[in-house]
Amino acid sequence: GENVEQHPSTLSVQEGDSAVIKCTYSDSASNYFPWYKQELGKGPQLIIDIRSNVGEKKDQRIAVTLNKTAKHFSLHITETQPEDSAVYFCAATFYNQGGKLIFGQGTELSVKP
Amino acid sequence: DTGVSQDPRHKITKRGQNVTFRCDPISEHNRLYWYRQTLGQGPEFLTYFQNEAQLEKSRLLSDRFSAERPKGSFSTLEIQRTEQGDSAMYLCASSPPASGGRTDTQYFGPGTRLTVL
Repeated sequence: GENVEQHPSTLSVQEGDSAVIKCTYSDSASNYFPWYKQELGKGPQLIIDIRSNVGEKKDQRIAVTLNKTAKHFSLHITETQPEDSAVYFCAATFYNQGGKLIFGQGTELSVKP
Repeated sequence: DTGVSQDPRHKITKRGQNVTFRCDPISEHNRLYWYRQTLGQGPEFLTYFQNEAQLEKSRLLSDRFSAERPKGSFSTLEIQRTEQGDSAMYLCASSPPASGGRTDTQYFGPGTRLTVL
């Protein structure tokens, strides 16, 4: 069945360093890959997304890359700040099948000042 | 744009009781999704609606669970005869119609945290 694997489960970096989170997906028909940030007690907040016809997308300090052949995609956060500390989730979906998101297990990012 | 809202935010109930949660999507969003999230895990899909039609249900949605979206606006999720294993965060998300552009983007509400004693 559909599956998304996410690594690492925890990540600790110093303020100003970069952080990279990686995900792999099983369904080669997946064509939309969002990333969500979830803070304690809150719902997931979309931070960036990418579609299968694009290899890379950047928004200020955040970038996402997609390798369709290898079926993996990654989140890159540069110049990390303490407020970036949260749990990050990747997800994948094949929109024509209703758009239900299949989520990874999450990465708890801790940015130390 | 007031965002997706959910009510209540927290619910504590005793095993065997019935509970109902409400989700109000972003105005004019025609797709509405329910997910369940347990501690330390990513959200898991439960069901989704396009307008008032329930188009897909996960096998996670046992016969004790029922969801409705009677007028294509707000939705309710009911759990009958709750069990301790139902304790989780129940998340609702909505996405806009094709005319709204980003049809695949899902916006999540704050969730309802259910604790079954």
